[in-house]
Amino acid sequence: GAGVSQSPRYKVAKRGQDVALRCDPISGHVSLFWYQQALGQGPEFLTYFQNEAQLDKSGLPSDRFFAERPEGSVSTLKIQRTQQEDSAVYLCASSLLGVARVDTQYFGPGTRLTVL
Amino acid sequence: AQKITQTQPGMFVQEKEAVTLDCTYDTSDQSYGLFWYKQPSSGEMIFLIYQGSYDEQNATEGRYSLNFQKARKSANLVISASQLGDSAMYFCAMREGRIADRGSTLGRLYFGRGTQLTVWP
Repeated sequence: GAGVSQSPRYKVAKRGQDVALRCDPISGHVSLFWYQQALGQGPEFLTYFQNEAQLDKSGLPSDRFFAERPEGSVSTLKIQRTQQEDSAVYLCASSLLGVARVDTQYFGPGTRLTVL
Repeated sequence: AQKITQTQPGMFVQEKEAVTLDCTYDTSDQSYGLFWYKQPSSGEMIFLIYQGSYDEQNATEGRYSLNFQKARKSANLVISASQLGDSAMYFCAMREGRIADRGSTLGRLYFGRGTQLTVWP
């Protein structure tokens, strides 16, 4: 079956522009996660959804970052007024079950965002 | 404090040899899970292996095994019979759990900084 997909794969934005990054999780997966990976670093957690509910957004670095998953499937991560420090790879992951059990997160290919 | 520490920025191994990638973790939870992911130059994170804190046996998946030493809080990845295609970045990750709810975990993964593995012919 299809894995996690993300679009666009690459995005170049001028500082101050708004961007929207899309994630299509594996069909039927309840949980969806967003991570930010700076160059040479491991991924850092941003936010987590269980179905359409955003259960944890403690990793969002500022109020310029906003994520939604309105119908419990596709998710969008929006960054307003982008800054150069937002340049990173944004990874989306999904897992089959909710928080109540241990389960594996499967990652998409990521969106590489470059802010000029 | 770092929850996941990977002390080897880079490792080199000859094809067909075994290699161990180190990972130590820090948590006060009793229930947690440990994961290893591979990230080739294409960027996608590929799940390799999982170890639960209550699992008594070390996890194995094909050529991958996890050397879990709970008292030392280490979860080293062992790759046997290395192949050229194993060259990639390898990340250790942890998901913490609730003490009061054995077997369940919170959502987020904490990642280390990774180890770049190079396999040479």
